[in-house]
Amino acid sequence: AQSVAQPEDQVNVAEGNPLTVKCTYSVSGNPYLFWYVQYPNRGLQFLLKYITGDNLVKGSYGFEAEFNKSQTSFHLKKPSALVSDSALYFCAVRDPGTASKLTFGTGTRLQVTL
Amino acid sequence: GAGVSQTPSNKVTEKGKYVELRCDPISGHTALYWYRQSLGQGPEFLIYFQGTGAADDSGLPNDRFFAVRPEGSVSTLKIQRTERGDSAVYLCASSTRDSREQYFGPGTRLTVT
Repeated sequence: AQSVAQPEDQVNVAEGNPLTVKCTYSVSGNPYLFWYVQYPNRGLQFLLKYITGDNLVKGSYGFEAEFNKSQTSFHLKKPSALVSDSALYFCAVRDPGTASKLTFGTGTRLQVTL
Repeated sequence: GAGVSQTPSNKVTEKGKYVELRCDPISGHTALYWYRQSLGQGPEFLIYFQGTGAADDSGLPNDRFFAVRPEGSVSTLKIQRTERGDSAVYLCASSTRDSREQYFGPGTRLTVT
């Protein structure tokens, strides 16, 4: 069975500083990995994905993530945080052998302050 | 273009009642997914449609939950004899057949009193 762990309930960072939101996964075979962001009273918004190829993937709003197969991690990063980045971030994994479900982590709340 | 839409945005019902939640996917998306998100948790998979058929319904918690997609577009999630534990946000997502990312609607917040 596939699973995702987001070890931090909340990450606090000052605006302008780099941010990292951690994610580790467990899946048989090579995973498809995703990051989504959720703003209050809004649905999930796709940020980026890793399917294959370059381990560093770039996504929306200046976010990027690094796939590390040996550490089974897919941490989300941004070089310079904005207050408007404050939201709930979810990591998700899909077993490429299926065409169906995403398995999500429990989410990490990012709080960016001035 | 229009994204995934869900109606109603909020639904309050009494324990034991029947509810229907509607999802209108992005035009042309053949795959449709339902998830449930409880407070403080990530979304949990319920069911996946490819076209009109349910390709994977392994996430439905019990036989009170049922979903249909009769014409391969709009889908309805149906919950019979609602229980307080069914209270959650129900999210719908769609994707193209070959796409790996799913696009989510704003959700329906269901409250069972």
